[in-house]
Amino acid sequence: DQQVKQNSPSLSVQEGRISILNCDYTNSMFDYFLWYKKYPAEGPTFLISISSIKDKNEDGRFTVFLNKSAKHLSLHIVPSQPGDSAVYFCAARLNTGNQFYFGTGTSLTVIP
Amino acid sequence: DAGITQSPRHKVTETGTPVTLRCHQTENHRYMYWYRQDPGHGLRLIHYSYGVKDTDKGEVSDGYSVSRSKTEDFLLTLESATSSQTSVYFCAISGTNSNQPQHFGDGTRLSIL
Repeated sequence: DQQVKQNSPSLSVQEGRISILNCDYTNSMFDYFLWYKKYPAEGPTFLISISSIKDKNEDGRFTVFLNKSAKHLSLHIVPSQPGDSAVYFCAARLNTGNQFYFGTGTSLTVIP
Repeated sequence: DAGITQSPRHKVTETGTPVTLRCHQTENHRYMYWYRQDPGHGLRLIHYSYGVKDTDKGEVSDGYSVSRSKTEDFLLTLESATSSQTSVYFCAISGTNSNQPQHFGDGTRLSIL
């Protein structure tokens, strides 16, 4: 059973606009959440993370929001750029060890 | 970039043959992981290691074994490959500091005919 879910397989956004990628999880024992970006034929690259004790973390154009009561995570990219076109994975870590669980990914296309 | 090298990068083999994939790190990180990536499934954990000779199963471990005899190397073995194991395999590492992300290698594309 998928513990981390990304329900939107794809998303298209105009350059300069905001991209919002969503992620839901089911396990309340996750304590650390991450977003990765993946280009074809490359490994996932760490983008941004957030601890369960926070509700927002910002790094440049990227902001991650965590709503623990809803078990929902989102990534905001503002402004979106064509180079942001990639597959984005959200991930969550169990607080009982160092195991990470990944969503199925959302393919973002930023249209110039 | 994290120092992670996966080898081989591509491999084609036949059903029933043994296959070993290697992950080598230069970061001296404690944790190492093997994932497979398949369409519609994202990244799924096969096995992971929390130290030399210390390994544990992930969610899709059937048909796979691992070994870690040195901090820097983590091997994934398919004892008798099946077509369902055709996939892209990623190795990842992470350290022991609190809230440290995983870093990934570039993957091995494995095709089993």
